[in-house]
Amino acid sequence: EDKVVQSPLSLVVHEGDTVTLNCSYEVTNFRSLLWYKQEKKAPTFLFMLTSSGIEKKSGRLSSILDKKELSSILNITATQTGDSAIYLCAVGDNRKLIWGLGTSLAVNP
Amino acid sequence: NAGVTQTPKFQVLKTGQSMTLQCAQDMNHNSMYWYRQDPGMGLRLIYYSASEGTTDKGEVPNGYNVSRLNKREFSLRLESAAPSQTSVYFCATTPGLSSYEQYFGPGTRLTVT
Repeated sequence: EDKVVQSPLSLVVHEGDTVTLNCSYEVTNFRSLLWYKQEKKAPTFLFMLTSSGIEKKSGRLSSILDKKELSSILNITATQTGDSAIYLCAVGDNRKLIWGLGTSLAVNP
Repeated sequence: NAGVTQTPKFQVLKTGQSMTLQCAQDMNHNSMYWYRQDPGMGLRLIYYSASEGTTDKGEVPNGYNVSRLNKREFSLRLESAAPSQTSVYFCATTPGLSSYEQYFGPGTRLTVT
């Protein structure tokens, strides 16, 4: 059965810290890996990684796909209170996304 | 350009009642999805529609039906609501099945008592 596992489940840091969130997957027909941010509403898209695009960066956020290890990391540097959210990882197969349970990040001032 | 809209935002039902959750998109996307999100369970796919006129079951379809009314609209119906269907329901869209970046509606919070 296909699955996506995120770790840690929750994390509490102080403003200015750097955090690394992990996502590992076992998906038969891997096509892409996506990261989403969810605050108190709907998930919003952050990055998509594929075999042809294994590294993405936007401001303080960056992500890398390791196809050999079947995993991805999401790095957030110089964290701010506005980064507090649930970060979701999802893997696309031929037809749909398989979602992880998310990592809940709390950034304290 | 509203993106993806869902109605209602909140709903309380009694066990056994029926209702339809509405989703509409103005993004000209072909594929639409219904998810439920529960604490500790993550996002689970209920049904999806690859294109107008087609629907397929997802991971947790029991107790639900869907209608892809046209390219813009995809509704989710609960025929006889149960407390286990208390959840937050999200509609999402993508340009097509091979496009994985999904755009989400704001969600419907449903409580079944």
